[in-house]
Amino acid sequence: DVVVTQSPLSLSVTLGQPASISCRTTEGLVYSDGSTYLNWFHQRPGQSPRRLIYKVSNRDSGVPYRFSGSGSGTDFTLEISRVEAEDVGIFYCMQGTHWPWTFGQGTKVEIK
Amino acid sequence: QVQLVESGGDLVEPGGSLRLSCAASGFIFTDYYMNWIRQTPGRGLEWVAYISQSGHVVNYADSVRGRFTISRDNVKRSVYLQMNGLRVDDTAVYYCAFPARLAQSWGQGTVVIVSP
Repeated sequence: DVVVTQSPLSLSVTLGQPASISCRTTEGLVYSDGSTYLNWFHQRPGQSPRRLIYKVSNRDSGVPYRFSGSGSGTDFTLEISRVEAEDVGIFYCMQGTHWPWTFGQGTKVEIK
Repeated sequence: QVQLVESGGDLVEPGGSLRLSCAASGFIFTDYYMNWIRQTPGRGLEWVAYISQSGHVVNYADSVRGRFTISRDNVKRSVYLQMNGLRVDDTAVYYCAFPARLAQSWGQGTVVIVSP
């Protein structure tokens, strides 16, 4: 199975400051259709995960512009330009290229 | 708007069976693969199974293969997960989600607890 490793596993950020989460995979994620299926999700306590970014860098509808995704190959990053209070929770990356599709362990974000 | 509503979660003894259901609305159900994903505090998020639009293509995580069966009813706009031979480590919140590989939309989840 493709192992997805996130770092850091926890992040304490001051409001308005940037944050960055790394996601590394044990295999490259380019699928046969040419797409790279690396997605980012945010989960607040007691809620289902919500997708923020799909295929590396495409922001979902309604997702604030402060969220951006980048990367290629086996190395990907989610950046938050200015953390807001509503960003607390756990962020997950997930690869949908190689079955079984797998998630990272999650990065818990809290406000300092 | 898109809505996925799971049901069927319960407390069951090891070796028992459960059938989870997911009712879908707000999108063209027959256009999409459907999926079950589960979440536990210890193992995190795990993609359990997917099923194609027609139901002819299915796939499972190794941890559930041979015990779980995914199916769908396109008339009822529903997807199901028949879980047999349940084990303690199947305890999780089970989510219905779509599409395959991308998981844009998720239900609220249904809780399965396997305990003696």
